[in-house]
Amino acid sequence: GEDVEQSLFLSVREGDSSVINCTYTDSSSTYLYWYKQEPGAGLQLLTYIFSNMDMKQDQRLTVLLNKKDKHLSLRIADTQTGDSAIYFCAERPSSGSARQLTFGSGTQLTVLP
Amino acid sequence: ETGVTQTPRHLVMGMTNKKSLKCEQHLGHNAMYWYKQSAKKPLELMFVYNFKEQTENNSVPSRFSPECPNSSHLFLHLHTLQPEDSALYLCASSQEPLNTEAFFGQGTRLTVV
Repeated sequence: GEDVEQSLFLSVREGDSSVINCTYTDSSSTYLYWYKQEPGAGLQLLTYIFSNMDMKQDQRLTVLLNKKDKHLSLRIADTQTGDSAIYFCAERPSSGSARQLTFGSGTQLTVLP
Repeated sequence: ETGVTQTPRHLVMGMTNKKSLKCEQHLGHNAMYWYKQSAKKPLELMFVYNFKEQTENNSVPSRFSPECPNSSHLFLHLHTLQPEDSALYLCASSQEPLNTEAFFGQGTRLTVV
């Protein structure tokens, strides 16, 4: 079955880089997403990557995809206290609908001053 | 602000109460979803409505009853809930077939006492 796994917690110092990792099992996954959930809020899409790409950069965010190992990572450069949140990895097949989104458990990122 | 609004933001209810959660989207989407978010667990898809028709019910107990009167509004009617139903309930919407992302509301934090 489909499964998306993430570590539950990550702590970094302000100004350092954060790397949040995710593994998935569905080999047909084509869209992979990173969502951010701030305290008391819903999920907000941060970025997504197609499986025919191995890297995508958007300002402080860098997404790396290793399709062979089914490993996705999100690097946040110069991490700020406002980056403290839960980060969810999600995947779905290319021909799938939103109901086929499979989410991980989320990684709680804590940024220490 | 994602264009998906949920009310109320917080709800405390007894096990014998009946209450309803409301979701409204102003994005012109044709599909809406209810998710349950429990601590340290992946998001669980509960119900899917596409063009106002329920297309999916992921083995959700009958004490949860969805209603979709039109493509912009989605309700989740609650009755005789259990304490383990306490969670964050998230509504989402998308345009199907899915282009890129689903948009999430801020959620309703439900506590059953």
